[in-house]
Amino acid sequence: NAGVTQTPKFRILKIGQSMTLQCAQDMNHNYMYWYRQDPGMGLKLIYYSVGAGITDKGEVPNGYNVSRSTTEDFPLRLELAAPSQTSVYFCASSYSPTPLGTGELFFGEGSRLTVL
Amino acid sequence: DAKTTQPTSMDCAEGRAANLPCNHSTISGNEYVYWYRQIHSQGPQYIIHGLKNNETNEMASLIITEDRKSSTLILPHATLRDTAVYYCIAALRGANNLFFGTGTRLTVIP
Repeated sequence: NAGVTQTPKFRILKIGQSMTLQCAQDMNHNYMYWYRQDPGMGLKLIYYSVGAGITDKGEVPNGYNVSRSTTEDFPLRLELAAPSQTSVYFCASSYSPTPLGTGELFFGEGSRLTVL
Repeated sequence: DAKTTQPTSMDCAEGRAANLPCNHSTISGNEYVYWYRQIHSQGPQYIIHGLKNNETNEMASLIITEDRKSSTLILPHATLRDTAVYYCIAALRGANNLFFGTGTRLTVIP
């Protein structure tokens, strides 16, 4: 299993440009998440999804959009990039918690985005 | 979710046990204590979690006080590769938003 794969690993955007961060997982997890991490800070949840076709806002959703058309993929779109969106973005997935399952998060390696 | 408080940084000698404390005095009865770590700039990695009882796995042990207001993550024989930021999180099982604070930066010293 590759686990959670994020692309690109690095990207520089100009203010006002748009882009999509890709996230794919091959563990058949229902739950997927997008976090951002600013320098020296913890992770903040942007959006999450509990299954294909279902998405919901997290703590800091403004400026972002997501879709979940398949179980495997959960892309994050930035429509009009702003310097405040300079950050490292992490995608994560987990299986649904059950009495036997723990629901821990599996993270990708991150996508470092700079907006100039 | 209950707030957790952790020391900003700690050092540990290589080969010794690393004991990382966490306070969660407002934790509710059905909130779990989760520990993750983040090595350098990689994605966080799950370590262990527990509710009431002490837990142990191949990576670490988790000791939760009887009143559940604090816990300690123990890395029994710290190695240089354990140098990382360790996050203690209190959350409902299956919660959709785990609050990652700033964690404890553990430095293992040769």
